[in-house]
Amino acid sequence: DTQMTQSPSSLSASVGDRVTITCRASQDISKWLAWHQKKPEKAPKSLIYATSALQNGVPSRFSGSGSGTDFTLTISNLQPEDFATYYCQQYASYPQTFGQGTRLEIK
Amino acid sequence: QVQLVASGGDVVQPGTSLRLSCAASGFTFTNYGIHWVRQAPGKGLEWVATIWYDGSIEKYADSVRGRFTISRDNSNNMVYLQMNGLRGEDTAIYYCARDWGRGDSGYIEYWGQGTLVIASS
Repeated sequence: DTQMTQSPSSLSASVGDRVTITCRASQDISKWLAWHQKKPEKAPKSLIYATSALQNGVPSRFSGSGSGTDFTLTISNLQPEDFATYYCQQYASYPQTFGQGTRLEIK
Repeated sequence: QVQLVASGGDVVQPGTSLRLSCAASGFTFTNYGIHWVRQAPGKGLEWVATIWYDGSIEKYADSVRGRFTISRDNSNNMVYLQMNGLRGEDTAIYYCARDWGRGDSGYIEYWGQGTLVIASS
């Protein structure tokens, strides 16, 4: 199975900041990486697929990059609604696996 | 719009069974694979099972293989997760979710609301 490791596990930032979350795969997954946002008591929401493609309706302040084993999610100009937990997901092969999550908190 | 509504969660004794349901609407159901993903209290997301668009292929996480069975009714836009031999570690919110494609992509494009399963004596 492909293990996904996110860092940091938690992060404090202010509205207007730019933040970067990293996800590392234990083996080459090419570009088959997605990012999902999870808020308490809410269903997760897909943000990015295929490393850098934004889902419909996702603001352009979200961006993704990387390939192979190392990937990043960047959020520019943080907005109040962006404070949530973010998960990477590899889908290069089954079982699809998630990172452990990065909790983004308001400073 | 795409809607996925999970139901059937309950408080049950370890060792017993439970069946979750997922009602889908807002898209051509027969074209898409469906996943179940769970989140245990205070933990991250864990993929549980997937069924292909036509029901021809099922995939399971090692943690549930042999105990859980995923199925679908394409006439009624429903997906089910039959859970047998429940354990305490199965306690979680269970989400049904739609694949980007027929099931082979593995990418979860849409998530539904979850249903809570508690296995405890």
